[in-house]
Amino acid sequence: NAGVMQNPRHLVRRRGQEARLRCSPMKGHSHVYWYRQLPEEGLKFMVYLQKENIIDESGMPKERFSAEFPKEGPSILRIQQVVRGDSAAYFCASSPEDRLTQLYEQYFGPGTRLTVT
Amino acid sequence: AQSVTQLDSHVSVSEGTPVLLRCNYSSSYSPSLFWYVQHPNKGLQLLLKYTSAATLVKGINGFEAEFKKSETSFHLTKPSAHMSDAAEYFCVVRSYYSGYSTLTFGKGTMLLVSP
Repeated sequence: NAGVMQNPRHLVRRRGQEARLRCSPMKGHSHVYWYRQLPEEGLKFMVYLQKENIIDESGMPKERFSAEFPKEGPSILRIQQVVRGDSAAYFCASSPEDRLTQLYEQYFGPGTRLTVT
Repeated sequence: AQSVTQLDSHVSVSEGTPVLLRCNYSSSYSPSLFWYVQHPNKGLQLLLKYTSAATLVKGINGFEAEFKKSETSFHLTKPSAHMSDAAEYFCVVRSYYSGYSTLTFGKGTMLLVSP
């Protein structure tokens, strides 16, 4: 059973470009979480999605950031018009499909390291 | 709201000596607590978790942590450090909402192990 997959592992963008980060959850998992790790910081929760639904986006910046988890395919974190401050590691985690999701671990992917030049 | 405070940003030990990484939590209810480890440029690996069962929790690679409610602490220990333990360690608390939960991370403690 493959773990959580993220791609690309490293992404370099110039200021003003768009960044698209992909996350494929573990098989059988339909809950996806995105976290951001800024340099010298711990991970900060950004958004929690279930298939086709955003459940909690309280940690997402109000502008330029969006996330989706379509019925088919990976979850996408999209950052428009990137700025230098967006440079960070972005981690995706998944957990099983269950109403008691809060009792389950979150399994983390290897992360995407975004560098904005 | 739940939060965790990792008291040391860096801890240096010699190989073969004990490791102590300190974490205090703040929670309005009985918390679920975790320790994760992150090796350089790698993802996060769960070391151990506390979910209101035994207060002394054993994890992988010889690590353990003790939940102390009276001290609101969840310190991570290992009797004898190994060079491969050098990594960043995060104390994490689970925050519950209606029907789901999210994780709140501490700022991390970098463990340095010298020969």
